[in-house]
Amino acid sequence: NAGVTQTPKFRILKIGQSMTLQCTQDMNHNYMYWYRQDPGMGLKLIYYSVGAGITDKGEVPNGYNVSRSTTEDFPLRLELAAPSQTSVYFCASSRSTGSYEQYFGPGTRLTVT
Amino acid sequence: GEDVEQSLFLSVREGDSSVINCTYTDSSSTYLYWYKQEPGAGLQLLTYIFSNMDMKQDQRLTVLLNKKDKHLSLRIADTQTGDSAIYFCAESISSGGSNYKLTFGKGTLLTVNP
Repeated sequence: NAGVTQTPKFRILKIGQSMTLQCTQDMNHNYMYWYRQDPGMGLKLIYYSVGAGITDKGEVPNGYNVSRSTTEDFPLRLELAAPSQTSVYFCASSRSTGSYEQYFGPGTRLTVT
Repeated sequence: GEDVEQSLFLSVREGDSSVINCTYTDSSSTYLYWYKQEPGAGLQLLTYIFSNMDMKQDQRLTVLLNKKDKHLSLRIADTQTGDSAIYFCAESISSGGSNYKLTFGKGTLLTVNP
């Protein structure tokens, strides 16, 4: 199992550009999550999904969009990138029962200039 | 609201024990987790504890939970230089009858000196 994979690993965007961060998991997990991590801060939940076709906002959703057309994939879309979106983005997945422990991808480091 | 507090830094000598502390606020948290993050990497689940337990041991790791004080600790025995990393405490948040959303602390940077 590859677990949770994310692409790209690094990206530099100009202000106003758009991009999609890809996330795929092969553990057949129903639940998936997107977080951002800023220096010295914990992780903030951007969006999450409890199954294909179902998404919901987390703590910091503004400036982002998501979709979940399959169990495996949960892409995060940035429209009109702003410097405040410079961060490291992590995707995670978990089972829908039991202890809900989340498994994380390696992250995407995004810089907006 | 929910909040998880951790001290930001801990420095120990190789071979000593490390104790990383965490306080949380949601008394209805069902699970509490410890994650490890090495430089440039994602978060790796180390261990978790169910809220009706007081202690959980897994090789060099011991988790203690004091539900009354909402205090969680992670003890690493015989700390090695490879244990140098940021350690995050997280609590599950009760939401609509489920507990799958997590709130993370800001992380404790553990430095192990040879």
